[in-house]
Amino acid sequence: SQTIHQWPATLVQPVGSPLSLECTVEGTSNPNLYWYRQAAGRGLQLLFYSVGIGQISSEVPQNLSASRPQDRQFILSSKKLLLSDSGFYLCAWKDPTNEKLFFGSGTQLSVL
Amino acid sequence: AQSVTQLGSHVSVSEGALVLLRCNYSSSVPPYLFWYVQYPNQGLQLLLKYTSAATLVKGINGFEAEFKKSETSFHLTKPSAHMSDAAEYFCAVHNFGNEKLTFGTGTRLTIIP
Repeated sequence: SQTIHQWPATLVQPVGSPLSLECTVEGTSNPNLYWYRQAAGRGLQLLFYSVGIGQISSEVPQNLSASRPQDRQFILSSKKLLLSDSGFYLCAWKDPTNEKLFFGSGTQLSVL
Repeated sequence: AQSVTQLGSHVSVSEGALVLLRCNYSSSVPPYLFWYVQYPNQGLQLLLKYTSAATLVKGINGFEAEFKKSETSFHLTKPSAHMSDAAEYFCAVHNFGNEKLTFGTGTRLTIIP
């Protein structure tokens, strides 16, 4: 069966520090991968999605970037974090056969 | 562009009472519609989805939702609330052929003992 791993679960970082959140999927090949952010009091916002290795689509211009170095690995990065980057980050993958989206357990990022 | 509106950011119901969480969508083509639930300190879980088959969709944990095209609605219901239903619920819309999944702002459901 398929599983999705996302880490770390919580992260506290100072303003201006770099960021790297990792997400890996097991049990499937060539999944569509997504990074979402949920800011406090707001809905989920799609940040990036990828339909294949090295293919990244950005939905919102911002301080973050994403990379997909391997088929089942999706990384969210920043060179210098801002206070506004605080939030709950969710990685997800989609099963193209039934349109289902499966989410990781999320990373709570606090930028201080 | 597609969008989703969830009426009521907070809903409180008594244990055993009917749960009704509202969702209205806007889409230029027949959409796929989803309800997700987020329990405290956990990721999102899929409750149910509508993908143009039966208009009444049954999901996990006794929840169901009805797609009403004339009302552009996809409200989530459960006949009898349980304490374990307390969570944040998100409605989402997805157009076939588009990778975007657009979420509503969420409804926090509180169950009163």
